[in-house]
Amino acid sequence: QVQLQESGPGLVKPSETLSLTCSVSGASVNSIGFNWNWVRQHPEKGLEWLGILFPSGSTWYTPSLKSRLRISVDTTKNQFSLILTSVTAADTAVYYCVREAIMPRGRGFDSWGQGTLVTVAS
Amino acid sequence: EIILTQSPTTLSASPGDSATLFCKASQTITINLAWYQQIPGQAPRLLIYGASTRAASIPARFSGSGSGTEFALTIAGLQSEDFAIYYCQHYNDWPMTFGQGTTVEI
Repeated sequence: QVQLQESGPGLVKPSETLSLTCSVSGASVNSIGFNWNWVRQHPEKGLEWLGILFPSGSTWYTPSLKSRLRISVDTTKNQFSLILTSVTAADTAVYYCVREAIMPRGRGFDSWGQGTLVTVAS
Repeated sequence: EIILTQSPTTLSASPGDSATLFCKASQTITINLAWYQQIPGQAPRLLIYGASTRAASIPARFSGSGSGTEFALTIAGLQSEDFAIYYCQHYNDWPMTFGQGTTVEI
């Protein structure tokens, strides 16, 4: 059974860089048929998809964050990471790492990490 | 960017009732739509993908329908654990987006 676990600082200062890592167990980040994503949720708000990492290593980001966001992979550790630069209070949210399964009848985010709260404050 | 608009914002119901939630896309997304359930304090859970296919281990009381721009999630015979927030999400193109959510409350 796949498990995802986010790790990283819970507090980041404005204008600094947020770095989060997602450790994956029970599945390989190289596996065909799965993509790896970051999704965030502002306090008491809805879900926002941030970006995706494909098995090939290519990525796609939501346009509003494209200039500040990078997603990378470390296949030796079976981890993928999020880097968000120049953070502001608007980046305060719970960040989830998420696996997307590609299935015969469609796609879906079938496995989620527990989420990690990141607060941007001085 | 495709906008997903969910209705109603809040649905009040009783255990045993049936509930239907709606999701409307700003442009056609064929059947490239998923539904998620989120209990406050927990991560979301995949319920439906491909507009109408139940994900693994999802009870049969959850059903999805629709195509194009109009979609629905029906919960037949609400159980106490079904009172939660429900989100639709499209994967038709980039960026993927979520609806704003519907809260099903007692």
